[in-house]
Amino acid sequence: ILNVEQSPQSLHVQEGDSTNFTCSFPSSNFYALHWYRWETAKSPEALFVMTLNGDEKKKGRISATLNTKEGYSYLYIKGSQPEDSATYLCAPYSGYSTLTFGKGTMLLVSP
Amino acid sequence: KAGVTQTPRYLIKTRGQQVTLSCSPISGHRSVSWYQQTPGQGLQFLFEYFSETQRNKGNFPGRFSGRQFSNSRSEMNVSTLELGDSALYLCASSRGSIDGQETQYFGPGTRLLVL
Repeated sequence: ILNVEQSPQSLHVQEGDSTNFTCSFPSSNFYALHWYRWETAKSPEALFVMTLNGDEKKKGRISATLNTKEGYSYLYIKGSQPEDSATYLCAPYSGYSTLTFGKGTMLLVSP
Repeated sequence: KAGVTQTPRYLIKTRGQQVTLSCSPISGHRSVSWYQQTPGQGLQFLFEYFSETQRNKGNFPGRFSGRQFSNSRSEMNVSTLELGDSALYLCASSRGSIDGQETQYFGPGTRLLVL
């Protein structure tokens, strides 16, 4: 069972603020890291799949970086909007279509 | 393309009963994974099925079981329900690649309450 840590546990920012979260995972036997966004009353939605050390992915105002050697990934949100309010989950791949999820970072963006 | 569907969406059971949850994957997907989410815990992996075979299993007691049918639909069963089994149960489907790069698509979940 992989040990996946996400920080902070929760975050409250004002509209327009930029923010970032951290995902830490074991660096050995790394295959891929997945980021998901989970809005209340909806299904988790995939944001990024990252595989290479130094990878950087971007989707609108959201971007993510990956460091496989030290076992961490950062997720950045530029100019947060209320609709960004959600729980952001990271999940390293554990084999056989299995993802090991962290507990997530709950983001609340106030207007 | 229809998404992942789960039935029922809500369920209330009493301790000692058993329950069966169903998951229909996206058409063409052969892998179905099941997860449990309880307050304060992340999504915890239960098991994964691919082409009717369980490929991987999480750290849950034997009361939790599953199966997959030839049309890739999957069911999970929990026998002798305990209060602690109250949770949101999510399933996710994918084509089943084992390279780690494939996105899993989640259903809306079944919320189970055990009284």
